Amino acid sequence: SQQGEEDPQALSIQEGENATMNCSYKTSINNLQWYRQNSGRGLVHLILIRSNEREKHSGRLRVTLDTSKKSSSLLITASRAADTASYFCARSGSEKLVFGKGTKLTVNP
Amino acid sequence: DAGVIQSPRHEVTEMGQEVTLRCKPISGHDYLFWYRQTMMRGLELLIYFNNNVPIDDSGMPEDRFSAKMPNASFSTLKIQPSEPRDSAVYFCASRMGGGRHTGELFFGEGSRLTVL
Repeated sequence: SQQGEEDPQALSIQEGENATMNCSYKTSINNLQWYRQNSGRGLVHLILIRSNEREKHSGRLRVTLDTSKKSSSLLITASRAADTASYFCARSGSEKLVFGKGTKLTVNP
Repeated sequence: DAGVIQSPRHEVTEMGQEVTLRCKPISGHDYLFWYRQTMMRGLELLIYFNNNVPIDDSGMPEDRFSAKMPNASFSTLKIQPSEPRDSAVYFCASRMGGGRHTGELFFGEGSRLTVL
């Protein structure tokens, strides 16, 4: 299976702290994407990093990619209560995206 | 644009009944995907279409599941007969082309199916 793993499965932090989520995968990729899902809602795209990129920033988000280790991380800096959601990485090796099971992030006010 | 539109948002049915889920992708998107989300299995890709043609249906669990895309603005996922283990949230997503390297997916809000 192309499915990798997100780590940790759940993360609880205080507002203002940084949150780091990791993603590992098994097969080669063209790009890796991160999505966010609020409870009861659809997934929303956050950021895409291509296989030839090592780091990418978008606002308070920082994504890294290490293709030699087949892993990626998502860092959310200065977290807010509104960041509470599940975060998924999705691997693209072809036309389709394969999602992991996600990290459930809770940011306590 | 209104985004990807799914209906119904919630469906409760009894085992053995037929269920039809509907999806309207974003105009201009030529890829459409159906995913199923459960706590146990996460997000599973069921089937996807390119230019209304089914490309990969290897994720469809069994013959009780079928999907169609009669035109660029409408797709259905049908379960007949439904079983309790089909209970899940079903998502439709669409994206623009761009060849083999997939870009951003736009998801609908999902259809939550409960089979009693």
